[in-house]
Amino acid sequence: KQEVTQIPAALSVPEGENLVLNCSFTDSAIYNLQWFRQDPGKGLTSLLLIQSSQREQTSGRLNASLDKSSGRSTLYIAASQPGDSATYLCAVRSGNTGKLIFGQGTTLQVKP
Amino acid sequence: KAGVTQTPRYLIKTRGQQVTLSCSPISGHRSVSWYQQTPGQGLQFLFEYFSETQRNKGNFPGRFSGRQFSNSRSEMNVSTLELGDSALYLCASSLAGQVTEAFFGQGTRLTVV
Repeated sequence: KQEVTQIPAALSVPEGENLVLNCSFTDSAIYNLQWFRQDPGKGLTSLLLIQSSQREQTSGRLNASLDKSSGRSTLYIAASQPGDSATYLCAVRSGNTGKLIFGQGTTLQVKP
Repeated sequence: KAGVTQTPRYLIKTRGQQVTLSCSPISGHRSVSWYQQTPGQGLQFLFEYFSETQRNKGNFPGRFSGRQFSNSRSEMNVSTLELGDSALYLCASSLAGQVTEAFFGQGTRLTVV
C-alpha cells in the first residue's frame, strides 16, 4: 500500500531564506508526483507536476525534484516571502491503482 | 479559462439528512475525482469518474455515492449524514486522468450538527 510522508510537519523561517520541503513515498510504481499549496479553508493550488520519467521541474522560485528509485521528492523554495505561508502538500499518482495519494502536508510560516 | 467550480461553498445539515454536492470541471476535462479532507485524516480519496463511469473507488461506506453526467459535471451524494462526515469536500478535474495534472476546486465545507 502506497504511503506518502512529508517532513517536517511545520516550518517557520524568516523572510528571504531558501528552504526545502521533503516528501517520501513507499512504492516507486507511480505515474507522477504533484506538489500543491493550500491556504487555510481553501482548495488546493497545483504548483508543479513531475512525471515519473522526469527528474525535476521548475516554476519561478520553485523547483521540485524526483528520485523515483529512492522514493523521494523535494520542493525547493528560493528567497521565501510572507506570501509563501501556506500548507504544502505532496501527492503521488499510484501506478497500481491510479489514485492520487497525499501526504499530511508541511505548514510553512514565513515571518517578515 | 474557468477553473473547477464547486457548489455550494458551505453547507450545514442535520444528522440523518442527505446532501448533494456539485462539481463542474475545467472545460474539456473528462476526469473528476472527489476527496474528503479532515484535520485528523488529511486528504482521502473518495472516487473518480471518467466519461460517466466510476473508474476508481476509495474505502468509504456505501452512504457516499457519486455520478458524472455527459457534460462531465459530477455530483456527490452522502446519505444518512453522521457527525463524522463534517469535512471539506474537494473535487479535482484532469484532462484524461492518471498521467495528467489534477486541478482542484475551492471545496464545499460540510458541517453536520
